[in-house]
Amino acid sequence: DAGVIQSPRHEVTEMGQEVTLRCKPISGHNSLFWYRQTMMRGLELLIYFNNNVPIDDSGMPEDRFSAKMPNASFSTLKIQPSEPRDSAVYFCASVTGYEQYFGPGTRLTVT
Amino acid sequence: AQSVTQPDIHITVSEGASLELRCNYSYGATPYLFWYVQSPGQGLQLLLKYFSGDTLVQGIKGFEAEFKRSQSSFNLRKPSVHWSDAAEYFCAANTGTASKLTFGTGTRLQVTL
Repeated sequence: DAGVIQSPRHEVTEMGQEVTLRCKPISGHNSLFWYRQTMMRGLELLIYFNNNVPIDDSGMPEDRFSAKMPNASFSTLKIQPSEPRDSAVYFCASVTGYEQYFGPGTRLTVT
Repeated sequence: AQSVTQPDIHITVSEGASLELRCNYSYGATPYLFWYVQSPGQGLQLLLKYFSGDTLVQGIKGFEAEFKRSQSSFNLRKPSVHWSDAAEYFCAANTGTASKLTFGTGTRLQVTL
């Protein structure tokens, strides 16, 4: 099993640009979580899906952030427009039962 | 409110020495408890978990953790630390299947040779 796959691994963009982060969960897992990690705020839950349905998006910072899970094998997190304060490492986690398996993360830098 | 506390931000130990990382939780009922490790530039890897039963749980890489209900604690231990154990360690908790994890702030472990 390849584990959770995230792309790109690194993204550098200019303020105001649209950014799309991608996640492929582990096959057979039925939940997916998106987290953001920064030095200042640590790990923050942004949104999670059960069976492709968004359950809790209360952690999404603002309307500039959106997430979709069109099928069980793919999810996206979009930031439009991006701002420097969005610079962070974004993780998705694939979930089965009680256990969460994290991807390697996407390091986003917004200049 | 539910919370997980890791009182130590940074710990330094010598290679070969024993290690204990502290974790306390505050939940209405006993949550499911986890320890994750994050090496630089990597994602989080699950070390071990506690759901119920035996309060001493074994994990990967020689780690173990002990659940103590009376102290609301779930401390991580390793008898002999290796230089490769240098990383950040996160304690986490949740309350059910596919429910969101509450993470502690992490403890950064430095290992001196």
